[in-house]
Amino acid sequence: AQSVSQHNHHVILSEAASLELGCNYSYGGTVNLFWYVQYPGQHLQLLLKYFSGDPLVKGIKGFEAEFIKSKFSFNLRKPSVQWSDTAEYFCAVNAPNTDKLIFGTGTRLQVFP
Amino acid sequence: DAGVIQSPRHEVTEMGQEVTLRCKPISGHNSLFWYRQTMMRGLELLIYFNNNVPIDDSGMPEDRFSAKMPNASFSTLKIQPSEPRDSAVYFCASSTGQKETQYFGPGTRLLVL
Repeated sequence: AQSVSQHNHHVILSEAASLELGCNYSYGGTVNLFWYVQYPGQHLQLLLKYFSGDPLVKGIKGFEAEFIKSKFSFNLRKPSVQWSDTAEYFCAVNAPNTDKLIFGTGTRLQVFP
Repeated sequence: DAGVIQSPRHEVTEMGQEVTLRCKPISGHNSLFWYRQTMMRGLELLIYFNNNVPIDDSGMPEDRFSAKMPNASFSTLKIQPSEPRDSAVYFCASSTGQKETQYFGPGTRLLVL
């Protein structure tokens, strides 16, 4: 079965530190990839997505992600985090031949001033 | 656009009672998804509809859960009878379908005592 792995469950950083959150998926065919963010007490919001083309995708709030097909990875990065980036981050992949999104277990990011 | 609308935002009920959660997708979206989020299990897809037809309900926990979509602008998720282990945040999401971005509602926080 298709799956999405987020190896970092909880990340704690100071402001201005660089961020990289790992995401790996198990399906070998064509996939669409997403990063969603959930701020405390709020719903999930799309951060960025990859469907095709340039494997380096830029999203909102200075986030970017790189699709590396050979590694089945779609890691999220930000060069300098802010306190307001404190949230939970979810990687997701479209299951093949369906509209279903398979979500990773999420990574909780805490940024301290 | 108002986004995905869910009601109620909070629900507290006693074990054994019937609970009905409501969702209005974004106008023009033809796919609708119901998710459940808990600390233990993360974000789980319960069921999704395409053009008002249930496509995949494999995530529905058991017969106590049912979902309907009588028209393109309304869906319900019903739990009868409710149990304490059903306590969670239930999200509705919609998309234009076929692997497109899903837009999430604010969620219904359900507590079953």
